[in-house]
Amino acid sequence: KNEVEQSPQNLTAQEGEFITINCSYSVGISALHWLQQHPGGGIVSLFMLSSGKKKHGRLIATINIQEKHSSLHITASHPRDSAVYICAVAPTSGTYKYIFGTGTRLKVLA
Amino acid sequence: DAGVIQSPRHEVTEMGQEVTLRCKPISGHDYLFWYRQTMMRGLELLIYFNNNVPIDDSGMPEDRFSAKMPNASFSTLKIQPSEPRDSAVYFCASSPEDSSYNEQFFGPGTRLTVL
Repeated sequence: KNEVEQSPQNLTAQEGEFITINCSYSVGISALHWLQQHPGGGIVSLFMLSSGKKKHGRLIATINIQEKHSSLHITASHPRDSAVYICAVAPTSGTYKYIFGTGTRLKVLA
Repeated sequence: DAGVIQSPRHEVTEMGQEVTLRCKPISGHDYLFWYRQTMMRGLELLIYFNNNVPIDDSGMPEDRFSAKMPNASFSTLKIQPSEPRDSAVYFCASSPEDSSYNEQFFGPGTRLTVL
């Protein structure tokens, strides 16, 4: 079992739909990061969370430390949101290594 | 700040050739990471440095891979000899020492194709 699991692996949505991507982890963490990667593109950090909720534009990220679970929500989705979304956790073990989820490939249709 | 800089952005080479990938981290960042991304395996950490010293190279696939960080502003990842299975996107990332949350900033990546 992977230490960081994402679901779904693939997601196709119609423009305007509300989208949720989930991340569950099994290790103790100091923070959880949501990353975005467009096709053929670099990796951009969207959010860094250690508790609660953060919002940036149409993106909302939440984390429940007790449940070891995080969600990334996209409201009023748009074709430009099509990308791979990657959950990465920073363990509390003292290492600076990220543990990555396998990514969720999102396609938003016009 | 310009962000993490990688070069080249694209590299096409023939099997058996030496390949050198370069990275300039964000100024003042003490940690530097090299990753490889493939469709099959996703993002994999190859090696990371702290203050120019390699800390963990357990992800380096085999002796054909080597990485150096001669100073705080430059690192190289070398593959010699290259093989077709090394074809991937290689990312460099850096992180500041005082980041309690280990936030990493990624470069644009180098897309390597070995024929």
